[in-house]
Amino acid sequence: DAGVIQSPRHEVTEMGQEVTLRCKPISGHNSLFWYRQTMMRGLELLIYFNNNVPIDDSGMPEDRFSAKMPNASFSTLKIQPSEPRDSAVYFCASSTLGNTIYFGEGSWLTVV
Amino acid sequence: RKEVEQDPGPFNVPEGATVAFNCTYSNSASQSFFWYRQDCRKEPKLLMSVYSSGNEDGRFTAQLNRASQYISLLIRDSKLSDSATYLCVVLGGSNYKLTFGKGTLLTVNP
Repeated sequence: DAGVIQSPRHEVTEMGQEVTLRCKPISGHNSLFWYRQTMMRGLELLIYFNNNVPIDDSGMPEDRFSAKMPNASFSTLKIQPSEPRDSAVYFCASSTLGNTIYFGEGSWLTVV
Repeated sequence: RKEVEQDPGPFNVPEGATVAFNCTYSNSASQSFFWYRQDCRKEPKLLMSVYSSGNEDGRFTAQLNRASQYISLLIRDSKLSDSATYLCVVLGGSNYKLTFGKGTLLTVNP
C-alpha cells in the first residue's frame, strides 16, 4: 500500500523565493497534518485538516505560510517569501480521526 | 508547563541494558498516548500505543499514569538497532490535536 507521499524530497532555494511543498495522504484517511521539525524546536504542528477543512492553524508561524487542501487526496504548504529560518524538514502525515498517524518521508528544505 | 515534556537525554547504554524514558503531559483531558520512534534522517513511525492498564510488546513496555499525567517506555535487553530518537505523543482536546515531545535520543553501544 502506498504511504503518505511528499514532494519534493529535497529543495534548496534562495531567500525570497516561493516554496511549494506537496502531499498526497493515504487513501481513506480524512485527517491531514503538516509538521515542521528542527533541532531546536522539535516537531511542531503547523496546521491540520479534517475532511479537507482546516481545523487548527495556530501553529502556522506567520502570514508567509499558507496551506490548502482542495480535495481529499492532495494538500500543499506554501512559503512566500521564504527566509533562511524556514530551513527545516517538513512532514506531512495522515490518519483517520483520532487514530495512528502515518508520516511521509519529509521534504528537506534549505533556504540560503 | 510544556504540553508534552520528555527527558532530552541523550542516553548512551551498552547492549543488553535496560533503559527507561519518561514523559509528562499538561492537558488532563488528553485521550490517547503513543510512543513513536524516529531514526536519523527518517520520518517518525509508531512504536506502540499506551493503554491505561499498561502494555507490552516484546522487549518494550509502556505505562500510563493518568493521575500523575505521566507516560513511560521501558526497553529491556537493548539492541544496537534500538538506537533512535523516541518521541512521546499525546492526543488531546476536542480538536484531536496530536502533540509531540521533543524526543529522547538513545544510542546503544556494542
